Amino acid sequence: SAVISQKPSRDICQRGTSLTIQCQVDSQVTMMFWYRQQPGQSLTLIATANQGSEATYESGFVIDKFPISRPNLTFSTLTVSNMSPEDSSIYLCSVAPGTDTQYFGPGTRLTVL
Amino acid sequence: RKEVEQDPGPFNVPEGATVAFNCTYSNSASQSFFWYRQDCRKEPKLLMSVYSSGNEDGRFTAQLNRASQYISLLIRDSKLSDSATYLCVVNRGQGGKLIFGQGTELSVKP
Repeated sequence: SAVISQKPSRDICQRGTSLTIQCQVDSQVTMMFWYRQQPGQSLTLIATANQGSEATYESGFVIDKFPISRPNLTFSTLTVSNMSPEDSSIYLCSVAPGTDTQYFGPGTRLTVL
Repeated sequence: RKEVEQDPGPFNVPEGATVAFNCTYSNSASQSFFWYRQDCRKEPKLLMSVYSSGNEDGRFTAQLNRASQYISLLIRDSKLSDSATYLCVVNRGQGGKLIFGQGTELSVKP
């Protein structure tokens, strides 16, 4: 498995602003992912964060709204841009340390007013 | 139709009961299968992988039927601490993308 931390753990933001979420892993991993879990819903993949190249986004998610960085094999950031109340969600990063199993960070609980 | 579908919840059971969760998936190219557990306001945690031969981990037994595209999880002798949402998860094998079912909530009562 892997030990994953996320910052911030929660935030309350005003609409129109942006928030950058950080994900740190205790070991080098090739694959990192960002998910969203809206209230009362299950998880939906936003994008795969690729080291050294642009992220791969799922249908319905675009780079302008959710820019992602992956500067090295232990760290990634997800920015939620120009936020609206509909972006209120839990955002989770996950890693796949060499197998098809994924392990999740503790999540960032975002509330947009 | 969702790609991964689970029994609707919630399941309310007494301690000591046996409870079974079912899950179906629609993409026959799916390659690996999991049950995750998610406690309230926490991240999902891997409970167990699921294999065609079936696998058991203590009170938990998981089964996969590829022909029927069906996955199950059996919990025997339920404990209060088993109360959580159980997520059926499928890996399509395309770059590691996980597809999550909507989850089934289990509440074990004394």
